Amino acid sequence: GQQVMQIPQYQHVQEGEDFTTYCNSSTTLSNIQWYKQRPGGHPVFLIQLVKSGEVKKQKRLTFQFGEAKKNSSLHITATQTTDVGTYFCAGKGGGSQGNLIFGKGTKLSVKP
Amino acid sequence: SAVISQKPSRDICQRGTSLTIQCQVDSQVTMMFWYRQQPGQSLTLIATANQGSEATYESGFVIDKFPISRPNLTFSTLTVSNLSPEDSSIYLCSASKGDGTYEQYFGPGTRLTVT
Repeated sequence: GQQVMQIPQYQHVQEGEDFTTYCNSSTTLSNIQWYKQRPGGHPVFLIQLVKSGEVKKQKRLTFQFGEAKKNSSLHITATQTTDVGTYFCAGKGGGSQGNLIFGKGTKLSVKP
Repeated sequence: SAVISQKPSRDICQRGTSLTIQCQVDSQVTMMFWYRQQPGQSLTLIATANQGSEATYESGFVIDKFPISRPNLTFSTLTVSNLSPEDSSIYLCSASKGDGTYEQYFGPGTRLTVT
Protein backbone atom coordinates (compact mmCIF):
# COMPACT_ATOMS: atom_id res chain seq x y z
CA GLY A 1 0.00 0.00 0.00
CA GLN A 2 0.91 3.64 -0.21
CA GLN A 3 3.53 4.77 2.28
CA VAL A 4 4.72 8.23 3.23
CA MET A 5 8.11 8.46 4.86
CA GLN A 6 9.35 11.51 6.68
CA ILE A 7 12.80 12.42 7.97
CA PRO A 8 14.29 13.30 10.32
CA GLN A 9 12.23 11.97 13.19
CA TYR A 10 13.63 14.59 15.59
CA GLN A 11 15.45 17.86 15.09
CA HIS A 12 16.94 20.02 17.81
CA VAL A 13 18.03 23.49 16.74
CA GLN A 14 19.25 26.67 18.34
CA GLU A 15 16.88 29.57 17.96
CA GLY A 16 17.73 31.39 14.76
CA GLU A 17 18.95 28.30 12.93
CA ASP A 18 17.16 26.91 9.91
CA PHE A 19 15.17 23.67 9.87
CA THR A 20 14.10 21.33 7.09
CA THR A 21 11.95 18.22 7.09
CA TYR A 22 11.59 15.90 4.10
CA CYS A 23 8.75 13.73 2.95
CA ASN A 24 8.84 10.89 0.41
CA SER A 25 6.00 8.84 -0.98
CA SER A 26 6.18 5.37 -2.47
CA THR A 27 3.64 6.43 -5.11
CA THR A 28 2.80 9.56 -7.07
CA LEU A 29 0.56 11.89 -5.10
CA SER A 30 -2.29 14.04 -6.33
CA ASN A 31 -1.46 16.51 -3.59
CA ILE A 32 0.47 16.79 -0.37
CA GLN A 33 -0.48 18.64 2.77
CA TRP A 34 1.49 19.80 5.78
CA TYR A 35 0.20 19.97 9.33
CA LYS A 36 1.66 21.25 12.59
CA GLN A 37 0.84 19.77 15.95
CA ARG A 38 1.88 21.69 19.03
CA PRO A 39 2.64 19.67 22.19
CA GLY A 40 -0.68 18.61 23.69
CA GLY A 41 -2.61 19.96 20.73
CA HIS A 42 -4.22 18.61 17.60
CA PRO A 43 -2.93 18.78 14.02
CA VAL A 44 -3.53 22.10 12.30
CA PHE A 45 -3.50 22.45 8.54
CA LEU A 46 -0.64 24.58 7.18
CA ILE A 47 -0.75 24.25 3.41
CA GLN A 48 -1.57 22.09 0.43
CA LEU A 49 0.62 21.63 -2.65
CA VAL A 50 -0.91 20.32 -5.84
CA LYS A 51 1.27 21.14 -8.84
CA SER A 52 4.50 19.47 -9.85
CA GLY A 53 7.45 21.61 -8.72
CA GLU A 54 5.21 23.94 -6.75
CA VAL A 55 6.78 26.23 -4.15
CA LYS A 56 4.74 28.13 -1.59
CA LYS A 57 5.82 30.46 1.18
CA GLN A 58 4.22 31.46 4.43
CA LYS A 59 6.41 34.05 6.14
CA ARG A 60 9.47 32.04 7.28
CA LEU A 61 8.09 28.71 6.00
CA THR A 62 8.82 27.45 2.49
CA PHE A 63 7.06 24.39 1.11
CA GLN A 64 8.12 22.51 -2.01
CA PHE A 65 6.52 19.73 -4.02
CA GLY A 66 8.83 17.65 -6.17
CA GLU A 67 8.68 17.49 -9.94
CA ALA A 68 7.62 13.85 -9.82
CA LYS A 69 5.01 14.62 -7.14
CA LYS A 70 6.51 11.98 -4.87
CA ASN A 71 8.45 14.13 -2.44
CA SER A 72 8.09 17.35 -0.55
CA SER A 73 9.93 19.50 1.93
CA LEU A 74 9.22 22.12 4.56
CA HIS A 75 11.95 24.62 5.36
CA ILE A 76 11.79 27.08 8.23
CA THR A 77 14.18 30.01 8.16
CA ALA A 78 15.51 31.43 11.41
CA THR A 79 13.51 29.27 13.78
CA GLN A 80 11.74 30.75 16.78
CA THR A 81 10.55 29.09 19.96
CA THR A 82 6.99 29.36 18.64
CA ASP A 83 7.94 26.91 15.87
CA VAL A 84 8.19 24.08 18.39
CA GLY A 85 5.96 21.12 17.56
CA THR A 86 5.65 18.13 15.28
CA TYR A 87 5.34 18.71 11.56
CA PHE A 88 3.49 16.08 9.57
CA CYS A 89 3.26 15.68 5.84
CA ALA A 90 0.19 13.90 4.50
CA GLY A 91 -0.16 12.59 1.02
CA LYS A 92 -3.28 12.03 -0.98
CA GLY A 93 -3.34 9.50 -3.76
CA GLY A 94 -5.55 9.62 -6.80
CA GLY A 95 -9.29 9.14 -6.75
CA SER A 96 -12.13 10.97 -5.11
CA GLN A 97 -11.60 9.65 -1.62
CA GLY A 98 -10.38 12.30 0.76
CA ASN A 99 -8.32 10.11 3.04
CA LEU A 100 -4.71 11.06 3.64
CA ILE A 101 -1.65 9.00 4.50
CA PHE A 102 0.35 10.74 7.20
CA GLY A 103 4.09 10.59 7.60
CA LYS A 104 5.51 9.82 11.03
CA GLY A 105 6.27 13.47 11.61
CA THR A 106 9.34 15.47 12.54
CA LYS A 107 9.45 16.73 16.09
CA LEU A 108 11.17 20.11 16.25
CA SER A 109 12.58 21.52 19.45
CA VAL A 110 14.09 25.00 19.56
CA LYS A 111 16.58 26.01 22.20
CA PRO A 112 16.36 29.71 23.08
CA SER B 1 -12.74 26.43 7.71
CA ALA B 2 -14.62 24.24 10.18
CA VAL B 3 -14.62 24.08 13.94
CA ILE B 4 -14.82 20.62 15.42
CA SER B 5 -15.68 19.63 18.97
CA GLN B 6 -15.31 16.23 20.55
CA LYS B 7 -16.83 14.72 23.65
CA PRO B 8 -15.53 13.49 26.00
CA SER B 9 -12.11 15.14 26.04
CA ARG B 10 -10.78 12.28 28.12
CA ASP B 11 -12.00 9.19 29.90
CA ILE B 12 -10.75 6.31 31.97
CA CYS B 13 -12.57 3.07 31.23
CA GLN B 14 -12.42 -0.43 32.56
CA ARG B 15 -11.37 -3.38 30.49
CA GLY B 16 -14.27 -4.98 28.63
CA THR B 17 -16.46 -1.89 28.53
CA SER B 18 -17.08 0.46 25.57
CA LEU B 19 -16.63 4.15 25.01
CA THR B 20 -18.52 6.25 22.49
CA ILE B 21 -16.88 9.44 21.26
CA GLN B 22 -18.95 12.19 19.68
CA CYS B 23 -17.73 14.56 16.99
CA GLN B 24 -19.65 17.72 16.07
CA VAL B 25 -18.79 20.05 13.21
CA ASP B 26 -20.05 23.63 13.08
CA SER B 27 -20.90 23.38 9.38
CA GLN B 28 -21.85 20.73 6.86
CA VAL B 29 -18.91 18.73 5.60
CA THR B 30 -18.62 16.08 2.96
CA MET B 31 -16.15 13.78 4.66
CA MET B 32 -15.44 12.87 8.25
CA PHE B 33 -12.62 10.68 9.48
CA TRP B 34 -11.53 8.96 12.66
CA TYR B 35 -7.86 8.61 13.59
CA ARG B 36 -5.92 7.07 16.42
CA GLN B 37 -2.70 8.63 17.70
CA GLN B 38 -0.43 7.19 20.32
CA PRO B 39 1.40 9.92 22.30
CA GLY B 40 4.36 11.14 20.30
CA GLN B 41 3.38 9.06 17.27
CA SER B 42 1.81 9.68 13.91
CA LEU B 43 -1.86 9.52 13.02
CA THR B 44 -3.37 6.22 11.92
CA LEU B 45 -6.61 6.39 9.99
CA ILE B 46 -9.26 4.09 11.45
CA ALA B 47 -12.09 4.75 9.03
CA THR B 48 -13.95 7.22 6.87
CA ALA B 49 -17.41 7.95 8.23
CA ASN B 50 -19.90 7.99 5.36
CA GLN B 51 -23.16 9.83 5.74
CA GLY B 52 -26.08 7.47 5.34
CA SER B 53 -24.02 4.35 4.75
CA GLU B 54 -21.52 2.07 6.43
CA ALA B 55 -18.11 3.46 7.27
CA THR B 56 -15.08 2.53 5.19
CA TYR B 57 -12.48 0.88 7.41
CA GLU B 58 -8.73 0.79 6.91
CA SER B 59 -6.75 -2.41 7.04
CA GLY B 60 -6.53 -3.70 10.60
CA PHE B 61 -9.71 -2.02 11.81
CA VAL B 62 -13.10 -3.75 11.86
CA ILE B 63 -16.65 -2.62 12.38
CA ASP B 64 -17.28 -4.91 15.34
CA LYS B 65 -14.48 -3.26 17.30
CA PHE B 66 -14.96 0.32 16.03
CA PRO B 67 -18.60 0.87 15.07
CA ILE B 68 -19.14 4.29 13.53
CA SER B 69 -22.27 6.28 12.92
CA ARG B 70 -22.81 9.33 10.77
CA PRO B 71 -26.45 10.28 10.78
CA ASN B 72 -26.00 13.67 9.07
CA LEU B 73 -23.42 16.03 7.55
CA THR B 74 -22.28 17.55 10.84
CA PHE B 75 -22.10 14.69 13.33
CA SER B 76 -20.40 11.36 13.82
CA THR B 77 -19.69 8.92 16.62
CA LEU B 78 -16.96 6.34 17.11
CA THR B 79 -17.41 3.54 19.60
CA VAL B 80 -14.42 1.60 20.83
CA SER B 81 -15.79 -1.73 21.99
CA ASN B 82 -14.61 -4.42 24.35
CA LEU B 83 -11.82 -2.23 25.61
CA SER B 84 -8.37 -3.54 26.42
CA PRO B 85 -5.29 -1.62 27.62
CA GLU B 86 -3.98 -1.67 24.02
CA ASP B 87 -6.85 0.65 23.08
CA SER B 88 -5.41 3.39 25.29
CA SER B 89 -4.70 6.21 22.87
CA ILE B 90 -5.86 9.57 21.60
CA TYR B 91 -8.77 9.39 19.17
CA LEU B 92 -9.15 12.27 16.75
CA CYS B 93 -12.04 13.22 14.55
CA SER B 94 -11.43 15.24 11.40
CA ALA B 95 -13.57 16.68 8.66
CA SER B 96 -13.06 17.83 5.12
CA LYS B 97 -15.34 20.01 3.04
CA GLY B 98 -14.49 17.93 0.00
CA ASP B 99 -14.47 21.00 -2.19
CA GLY B 100 -11.38 19.87 -4.02
CA THR B 101 -8.87 20.97 -1.41
CA TYR B 102 -9.19 17.92 0.89
CA GLU B 103 -7.83 20.03 3.73
CA GLN B 104 -8.72 18.36 7.02
CA TYR B 105 -9.79 20.10 10.19
CA PHE B 106 -9.15 18.20 13.39
CA GLY B 107 -11.01 18.06 16.64
CA PRO B 108 -9.16 18.42 19.94
CA GLY B 109 -9.07 14.66 20.47
CA THR B 110 -10.28 12.25 23.13
CA ARG B 111 -7.69 10.73 25.42
CA LEU B 112 -8.74 7.23 26.39
CA THR B 113 -7.09 5.26 29.16
CA VAL B 114 -8.13 1.66 29.71
CA THR B 115 -7.39 0.12 33.09
